[in-house]
Amino acid sequence: GENVEQHPSTLSVQEGDSAVIKCTYSDSASNYFPWYKQELGKRPQLIIDIRSNVGEKKDQRIAVTLNKTAKHFSLHITETQPEDSAVYFCAAIHTGRRALTFGSGTRLQVQP
Amino acid sequence: GAVVSQHPSRVICKSGTSVKIECRSLDFQATTMFWYRQFPKKSLMLMATSNEGSKATYEQGVEKDKFLINHASLTLSTLTVTSAHPEDSSFYICSATGFPNEKLFFGSGTQLSVL
Repeated sequence: GENVEQHPSTLSVQEGDSAVIKCTYSDSASNYFPWYKQELGKRPQLIIDIRSNVGEKKDQRIAVTLNKTAKHFSLHITETQPEDSAVYFCAAIHTGRRALTFGSGTRLQVQP
Repeated sequence: GAVVSQHPSRVICKSGTSVKIECRSLDFQATTMFWYRQFPKKSLMLMATSNEGSKATYEQGVEKDKFLINHASLTLSTLTVTSAHPEDSSFYICSATGFPNEKLFFGSGTQLSVL
């Protein structure tokens, strides 16, 4: 099955700096890669996603890049703010199953 | 985005009792629902996939007789933890996808504590 690895597990940045979280996946047939933000005790919230037919997608301060050849994708957050502090999960969809496989998560802390 | 409602948000129960968790899609038809389990500071682990009107597909290592899943309608799926034990204490969260929005949306989660 699909295996998704995520790095780093924790990331601390100063307010205003950029943050980058990287994920790799194993199943070359995966074609949908969402990113979720989860605050403590809350549900994961979809913040951005990308399909395999594009290499980059941007939504204000958040961007995601995808390299299908290398099977990795990354989340980029610019001009970080304290409210960006949360756990971020990448995920990949396993073709034919419609069930997401999640990365292990990255705890982002933005220092004011 | 679409709304997925999950109840209860928190349950504390004695060992040996059964607990039912409901997951409802409020504004779309959830053809497929997924149940995840999340331990503290860990990722979401898929337990089972349920399609409306058919039996759930369980992931390896998940006991189907312990975690009963019912998806009888396009808007409701339930997870029943039977004869709960302390090791079943966890954050259980459902997610749903379906027509007209194919994206995945999560319920608010249920924190189960078994004493």
